[in-house]
Amino acid sequence: AQKITQTQPGMFVQEKEAVTLDCTYDTSDPSYGLFWYKQPSSGEMIFLIYQGSYDQQNATEGRYSLNFQKARKSANLVISASQLGDSAMYFCAMREVNDMRFGAGTRLTVKP
Amino acid sequence: EAGVAQSPRYKIIEKRQSVAFWCNPISGHATLYWYQQILGQGPKLLIQFQNNGVVDDSQLPKDRFSAERLKGVDSTLKIQPAKLEDSAVYLCASSSPRGGTGELFFGEGSRLTVL
Repeated sequence: AQKITQTQPGMFVQEKEAVTLDCTYDTSDPSYGLFWYKQPSSGEMIFLIYQGSYDQQNATEGRYSLNFQKARKSANLVISASQLGDSAMYFCAMREVNDMRFGAGTRLTVKP
Repeated sequence: EAGVAQSPRYKIIEKRQSVAFWCNPISGHATLYWYQQILGQGPKLLIQFQNNGVVDDSQLPKDRFSAERLKGVDSTLKIQPAKLEDSAVYLCASSSPRGGTGELFFGEGSRLTVL
């Protein structure tokens, strides 16, 4: 069964606007971690943000924030004030114990 | 601090040939992962090591893929014989269980083309 679901294959956003990338997950483990990674066309995987299952507050890192809704099992990434350099693939991932699985990704394109 | 090193960056082989990829994780990182990323898809976990022991290899096609991590440091992933569908980027990553978020640090990947 798919553990990480990203339902948006592609998204477009105007420069300087905010965008939300969706991620839902499935686990019965009470302890888990949720991650977002960015993969530019160059191919490297860049860690963006982390949310632990017991964290009470939504994680934020600069222009990135994670909208964590535990009951709905969703962990959406919000990018504020989009920049042209944000154009890339974005992957949601979940860690249970040491196991780390990734979703299929969302391709974000920022329009000037 | 040196990052995760992988080699070779690119490899082109004929089907039924063999290939090996090498990975050296960040110093002190006990956990090492090999992922396969087919074009347009998310990374798929092939095998995970904790030190030199295998934690998870449930998605490794064991009839053709093998991996080892002798001495709990660097690792090799081998494919023999290769099939057309093995064309992908092979990503190595490492993480430290000690503190922090446990995020994975990735190498630049090894791109395999099977003709």
